Amino acid sequence: QKEVEQNSGPLSVPEGAIASLNCTYSDRGSQSFFWYRQYSGKSPELIMFIYSNGDKEDGRFTAQLNKASQYVSLLIRDSQPSDSATYLCAVTSGGSYIPTFGRGTSLIVHP
Amino acid sequence: GAVVSQHPSWVICKSGTSVKIECRSLDFQATTMFWYRQFPKQSLMLMATSNEGSKATYEQGVEKDKFLINHASLTLSTLTVTSAHPEDSSFYICSAAGTGDFYEQYFGPGTRLTVT
Repeated sequence: QKEVEQNSGPLSVPEGAIASLNCTYSDRGSQSFFWYRQYSGKSPELIMFIYSNGDKEDGRFTAQLNKASQYVSLLIRDSQPSDSATYLCAVTSGGSYIPTFGRGTSLIVHP
Repeated sequence: GAVVSQHPSWVICKSGTSVKIECRSLDFQATTMFWYRQFPKQSLMLMATSNEGSKATYEQGVEKDKFLINHASLTLSTLTVTSAHPEDSSFYICSAAGTGDFYEQYFGPGTRLTVT
């Protein structure tokens, strides 16, 4: 069974710091990796996706993928209180376009 | 781009009645749409995957006769909760797969259903 694991948190960081969110997955054949942000009471919002080993940057967000170690992380630079949300990791594998979601990590950015 | 709408955003219905939720991709054609349910402080639970013009594929444990899904066009999928009961009260979210190579999902804003 494909599993995607995330620490539920909460992860608490001060405003302006770098928040580091991690996700591990069980299926070595995983191909595409997605990060979503979900505010309380709202639906998930796609932040970015990555499919190659290494880093991918988009504004204050950087996704890092290490297929050998089977983890993907999301770094948020200059964290703001508005970044406080649950971050969901999702992974697709085996030619399926249906992702497996992790349970999410709650991030709290305090002023 | 990649906007998905959902209607209604919230609905209250009486036990035993049926409720239809619409999901539309506004600026792209979505061959595949997904329906999720989420209870408070819990993770997303995939209910079914629907492809335009074919029957939906339901996840194990999801009653297909209770949760009717229709994907009649490339921009519209509907979920009908039939004979709703209080335990069906939840946050229902649809998503549509993007047209890129990685099938990233774009979520609708969700529908909060309360069954009294």
